[in-house]
Amino acid sequence: DAGVTQSPTHLIKTRGQHVTLRCSPISGHKSVSWYQQVLGQGPQFIFQYYEKEERGRGNFPDRFSARQFPNYSSELNVNALLLGDSALYLCASSLVDRGTEAFFGQGTRLTVV
Amino acid sequence: QQQVKQSPQSLIVQKGGISIINCAYENTAFDYFPWYQQFPGKGPALLIAIRPDVSEKKEGRFTISFNKSAKQFSLHIMDSQPGDSATYFCAASANSGNTPLVFGKGTRLSVIA
Repeated sequence: DAGVTQSPTHLIKTRGQHVTLRCSPISGHKSVSWYQQVLGQGPQFIFQYYEKEERGRGNFPDRFSARQFPNYSSELNVNALLLGDSALYLCASSLVDRGTEAFFGQGTRLTVV
Repeated sequence: QQQVKQSPQSLIVQKGGISIINCAYENTAFDYFPWYQQFPGKGPALLIAIRPDVSEKKEGRFTISFNKSAKQFSLHIMDSQPGDSATYFCAASANSGNTPLVFGKGTRLSVIA
């Protein structure tokens, strides 16, 4: 079975630009969460979606937004990129509306220059 | 405010030895405590998890010890192997897993022959 897939794997953007990251959850999983992992730190929660509804938002500015589609895939959007947005962005899927047993994708490495 | 404190930051263990990583938490609402293993360039992979109704859980060479009164939990890796060299993250969530995972800062483990 395919795990959580994220695209693209690497991305380089310029300050001020916009970026869209995509995630496909494990088949049958309806909950998707996004995390940001800065080098040398643990992942930090950004958003959780379940059945296309936002179920949680972490302490991130409004430049960050996300949505979930009818097929449970999700995308994370970041506007007006800052150098500090450079990080590994991780998507995690879980079976139901819960944070337990979260399975992570390989992440998208975003570099803002 | 760091809700999950992890130590040590880095650890070097001889092949065949025991690796021990410790975590402490403050939020008594936490009721799910997973450990993740992350290799460079990869997303975190769920290793083992425990709930506070048990004091210990063992899966193969990996054991979680949980001390509810001290609000501490630890990961023990028995017979450590070079292939175990990775970064390990403890995490916690509340409300039977309906809240996002809060991660520690990670421990970089190196197992040397």
